[in-house]
Amino acid sequence: NAGVTQTPKFQVLKTGQSMTLQCAQDMNHEYMSWYRQDPGMGLRLIHYSVGAGITDQGEVPNGYNVSRSTTEDFPLRLLSAAPSQTSVYFCASSYSNGAGDRYFGAGTRLSVL
Amino acid sequence: KQEVTQIPAALSVPEGENLVLNCSFTDSAIYNLQWFRQDPGKGLTSLLLIQSSQREQTSGRLNASLDKSSGRSTLYIAASQPGDSATYLCAVMDDSGNTPLVFGKGTRLSVIA
Repeated sequence: NAGVTQTPKFQVLKTGQSMTLQCAQDMNHEYMSWYRQDPGMGLRLIHYSVGAGITDQGEVPNGYNVSRSTTEDFPLRLLSAAPSQTSVYFCASSYSNGAGDRYFGAGTRLSVL
Repeated sequence: KQEVTQIPAALSVPEGENLVLNCSFTDSAIYNLQWFRQDPGKGLTSLLLIQSSQREQTSGRLNASLDKSSGRSTLYIAASQPGDSATYLCAVMDDSGNTPLVFGKGTRLSVIA
């Protein structure tokens, strides 16, 4: 049982480049979410999904897109990377919207130059 | 808007000491509260989940309490060990059960041998 898997672990981008951060879970969880973690700011929600085909915005959604075509996968797309998007990104999942534990991936460390 | 505060931001204690980490939240209408541990450069690991109807949860040397009316939770760590050194994060879900977690900024704990 792998839990929540994020790829890549590290990434360096140039300003204006696009990329997709991958997140996959093998626990058949309905609820998945993306956070970014910045020094002094704590964890902030970017986007979340309560099931396949359903997504919603979090606190800091600008510059990011998501889709949820399967229960297992919840990719995060950076459309045109900016230095302000330098951060550590975490994906999380839980078996229901709020009743259970949240399982976190190991994170993707992104630097935008 | 829910806000979660953790005090102190950092704490250093000698090995073997019992300690308490504090978490406060501004809106007492919560669905649950969760404590996480984060090791440097790693993802989050769920420690304890307290539903709004519960007063406390215990796991080994950890005990988390919840006082909804006063908007407070404490994480008690008994007989601290150097391996407990990490950042501890508190997060709440609002009482609709339909909203994402709101995180505090964490308490960085160092247990000195």
